[in-house]
Amino acid sequence: AQRVTQPEKLLSVFKGAPVELKCNYSYSGSPELFWYVQYSRQRLQLLLRHISRESIKGFTADLNKGETSFHLKKPFAQEEDSAMYYCAPHQGAQKLVFGQGTRLTINP
Amino acid sequence: DVKVTQSSRYLVKRTGEKVFLECVQDMDHENMFWYRQDPGLGLRLIYFSYDVKMKEKGDIPEGYSVSREKKERFSLILESASTNQTSMYLCASSTGTGAHEQYFGPGTRLTVT
Repeated sequence: AQRVTQPEKLLSVFKGAPVELKCNYSYSGSPELFWYVQYSRQRLQLLLRHISRESIKGFTADLNKGETSFHLKKPFAQEEDSAMYYCAPHQGAQKLVFGQGTRLTINP
Repeated sequence: DVKVTQSSRYLVKRTGEKVFLECVQDMDHENMFWYRQDPGLGLRLIYFSYDVKMKEKGDIPEGYSVSREKKERFSLILESASTNQTSMYLCASSTGTGAHEQYFGPGTRLTVT
């Protein structure tokens, strides 16, 4: 079965420090991957998708097919980045498979 | 503006009751999804639908059923609620086939006592 793993349930960093949220997947071929974010009291929303190769709110994510990883990175964390983050590979047809999520806390 | 709405934000039901969770989207999306969100388990897909009257089981369909009579509405039904179905339920929709963005509703926090 196709799987996605986010090894850190909780991640805490100081404001201004670099952030990396890890995501590993077990897919063959060329999956398409997404990062979704849920801020406090807001609905879950798309943060970025690897195919667009964009930087959203300072975040980037690179697909590493050799390591089957899609880690989310930001060089300088801000307090408003505190949220729940989900990695979600596309599982064929219309479905996504969500990871367990990482709760990121940015300390002032 | 994209809109997915869910009928209730909070719901408290008793064990054994039949529970209906409603989801409506106004984007003319073909696909609709029901997930449950639990701490440490992430989002798990219960059922999804890619067309009116079509449904497919997700990863955890046991104890649930769904109904999609109209394109904009997707209902999740708990035939006989149990305490282990206490959770946050999220509805989502997306367009077309392939890997498209899913748009989420605000969620319904269901407590079964």
